[in-house]
Amino acid sequence: GENVEQHPSTLSVQEGDSAVIKCTYSDSASNYFPWYKQELGKGPQLIIDIRSNVGEKKDQRIAVTLNKTAKHFSLHITETQPEDSAVYFCAATVFGNEKLTFGTGTRLTIIP
Amino acid sequence: DAGVTQSPTHLIKTRGQQVTLRCSPKSGHDTVSWYQQALGQGPQFIFQYYEEEERQRGNFPDRFSGHQFPNYSSELNVNALLLGDSALYLCAVGQAGANVLTFGAGSRLTVL
Repeated sequence: GENVEQHPSTLSVQEGDSAVIKCTYSDSASNYFPWYKQELGKGPQLIIDIRSNVGEKKDQRIAVTLNKTAKHFSLHITETQPEDSAVYFCAATVFGNEKLTFGTGTRLTIIP
Repeated sequence: DAGVTQSPTHLIKTRGQQVTLRCSPKSGHDTVSWYQQALGQGPQFIFQYYEEEERQRGNFPDRFSGHQFPNYSSELNVNALLLGDSALYLCAVGQAGANVLTFGAGSRLTVL
């Protein structure tokens, strides 16, 4: 089955700086890669996703890149703000399949 | 979270007992998936329901069972509780064929 590894497990950045979280996946059949943000006491919230037919997708301060050959994808957050502090999870699956395989999460702390 | 309601939010059980968790999606969602999230870990897929049938199952024993009702709401049942069943149980709702999942805030189960 699919296996997703995520690094780093914790990340602290100064407000205004950029943050990068990286994930690798094992199953070459996976072609859909969502990223979720989980705040304390809440469920994961989808913040951006990418399908394997594109290499990059951007939404305001958030971007995701995908390297199919190397089987890795990354989340980039620019101009970080205190409200970006949360746990971020990457996931992988085949598009149309709701069985997501999640990474182990990255706790992002934005230092004011 | 606004797309799905889970209940109860917290509960405490003892080993060997049984528990039922509930999930109510708002309109427009016809699939329900359940995930288990242990402390400090990413969510793990338990199973998915669509048209009142279990469509996919993750690597969980048959002590974990579920049901989907005609109004698309769902229940997760866990029998013969073990200490290791202590976790946050997340319900995720979606639309068949699409990949965008909306997670509830979860039910936190503690087994003593």
